[in-house]
Amino acid sequence: NAGVTQTPKFRILKIGQSMTLQCTQDMNHNYMYWYRQDPGMGLKLIYYSVGAGITDKGEVPNGYNVSRSTTEDFPLRLELAAPSQTSVYFCASTHPEGQINYGYTFGSGTRLTVV
Amino acid sequence: DQQVKQNSPSLSVQEGRISILNCDYTNSMFDYFLWYKKYPAEGPTFLISISSIKDKNEDGRFTVFLNKSAKHLSLHIVPSQPGDSAVYFCAASGYGSSNTGKLIFGQGTTLQVKP
Repeated sequence: NAGVTQTPKFRILKIGQSMTLQCTQDMNHNYMYWYRQDPGMGLKLIYYSVGAGITDKGEVPNGYNVSRSTTEDFPLRLELAAPSQTSVYFCASTHPEGQINYGYTFGSGTRLTVV
Repeated sequence: DQQVKQNSPSLSVQEGRISILNCDYTNSMFDYFLWYKKYPAEGPTFLISISSIKDKNEDGRFTVFLNKSAKHLSLHIVPSQPGDSAVYFCAASGYGSSNTGKLIFGQGTTLQVKP
């Protein structure tokens, strides 16, 4: 049972480069989320999706884009990377009926450094 | 505006004693609250939750208390074990008709349990 898989685990980008952070889940969860965690801070919501074909902005969406063409995959795209996007990125998923009793299932994170 | 706050960045307790982690919130519309535990280089894992209609929920060594009038919740760990050493995040969400499962996280409290 893989759960939520994120790739890559680490990445160094130069300012202005672009990349896609991959996230896939095998639990048939409808709800998926991207959060970022900065040092000493909590997790901030970037984008979320309540089902295939449906995405919406979270608290800190600027500089990012997402798509949700399938239930399983929810990639996060960074365009024109900036040092302010240096962070640890977490993908998570949950089922609408299980979100209270089971919470999110998180991936192990992608540590991104922009230099 | 920080809607969920964990005002203690760190806590150190002796093995076998009680650990009490605190969390305050400002939005009285939150419907449920969750606690997550995070080890270094891993994603957060769900620990325990509580609905706003309850004032206590217990799961083994972990108990969450909710005081709605004070907009305060706490996580009690009894007895504390060295393996409990981790960062603990509290999180809050609305449910109801606008259910999207989005969570707002506190900044986290680092718990160290000394043998």
